[in-house]
Amino acid sequence: GAGVSQSPRYKVTKRGQDVALRCDPISGHVSLYWYRQALGQGPEFLTYFNYEAQQDKSGLPNDRFSAERPEGSISTLTIQRTEQRDSAMYRCASSLNTISGANVLTFGAGSRLTVL
Amino acid sequence: AQKITQTQPGMFVQEKEAVTLDCTYDTSDQSYGLFWYKQPSSGEMIFLIYQGSYDEQNATEGRYSLNFQKARKSANLVISASQLGDSAMYFCAMREGPGNYGQNFVFGPGTRLSVLP
Repeated sequence: GAGVSQSPRYKVTKRGQDVALRCDPISGHVSLYWYRQALGQGPEFLTYFNYEAQQDKSGLPNDRFSAERPEGSISTLTIQRTEQRDSAMYRCASSLNTISGANVLTFGAGSRLTVL
Repeated sequence: AQKITQTQPGMFVQEKEAVTLDCTYDTSDQSYGLFWYKQPSSGEMIFLIYQGSYDEQNATEGRYSLNFQKARKSANLVISASQLGDSAMYFCAMREGPGNYGQNFVFGPGTRLSVLP
């Protein structure tokens, strides 16, 4: 697609429910990143993929969080047994990864999760 | 340890004046990239400027320039002729390693810039 697409844009759920957040990166972009951003703070790294391989998941807060990118394109971030502290904006970004050039991250609009 | 430090939580600047937003970074890699992003109140993340660790010249993009001091590990953003529309959060970010390997990007805590009329 023309940009990075995230869905849903807004998700309200009850504590204890599972949620799945989807990211559709720019077509052809090799790397896909997930960040969490609290209001007034910088994006906090969660995990990233090159193609379908998860390269680094050190930022995932605990084992309730997982992510996959099975075909090297669309990615899903899943949060199991949600807690109120999981409420945040979840942002996805992708980059092309050429040999030369900046390989800038292009961000999606984000999915705002509210856990009641 | 924090990889990106932005020591100014908030900054004010008069319209039409220049402003410098500070960023220091920590890495042991020889190849890395430094980025600045703008986040207005609408929430989108807008890429502004990039500096590669091997670039000898400071990057410039219109009214934005990056004051890159490698030995001091600083990458300050300079905005010239500030405009009211520059009011936003500004984030410094670093990619460790060459870009074609898709390394991790880390972001700083941000600086909120307010431009006064």
